[in-house]
Amino acid sequence: AQSVSQHNHHVILSEAASLELGCNYSYGGTVNLFWYVQYPGQHLQLLLKYFSGDPLVKGIKGFEAEFIKSKFSFNLRKPSVQWSDTAEYFCAVNSNTGNQFYFGTGTSLTVIP
Amino acid sequence: EAQVTQNPRYLITVTGKKLTVTCSQNMNHEYMSWYRQDPGLGLRQIYYSMNVEVTDKGDVPEGYKVSRKEKRNFPLILESPSPNQTSLYFCASSLSTSDLYYEQYFGPGTRLTVT
Repeated sequence: AQSVSQHNHHVILSEAASLELGCNYSYGGTVNLFWYVQYPGQHLQLLLKYFSGDPLVKGIKGFEAEFIKSKFSFNLRKPSVQWSDTAEYFCAVNSNTGNQFYFGTGTSLTVIP
Repeated sequence: EAQVTQNPRYLITVTGKKLTVTCSQNMNHEYMSWYRQDPGLGLRQIYYSMNVEVTDKGDVPEGYKVSRKEKRNFPLILESPSPNQTSLYFCASSLSTSDLYYEQYFGPGTRLTVT
């Protein structure tokens, strides 16, 4: 089975600080990669996704992520966070030959005004 | 409004009493899935369905059943709930499993407590 690791469980930043959340997966084949976000009291929603092509993908709200195949990583970044980015962030993976999804344990981000 | 709905949103039950959590989507999506979210474990996939009458096990299917008789509905059945099934459950759907449509839309969650 595949697995997804998110090493940062809780992150606290001040507004305007830069953000990088780590995501590593274990699977040797071709994968599809996702970041989902869950704002307080809201549904999980897609931030961005990678299927193929340019390994640097841009998502909503100024987020981006870089796929580094050699490191099995798909880290999420944002140059300058805002208080409204306070949320829980989940990395997810599925193989492009399967329909099963694997999520990481999530990273809780708190942005202090 | 396009959405995934789940009922009930909160449920407290006792060990062994069969229950069903309903999930419905109004987007004509082919793919539907159930997850459970537990502290420190993230989301784990229970079952998924590629289309009507097509279901398959996810990572943690033990103790659960599903059915997909209609495209819009994907109920989760716990025949004999146990305390270790106390969790937050999410239903999700996506248009298909081809690349362009792989965005999953999640329901609001059902918080289940089994005593």
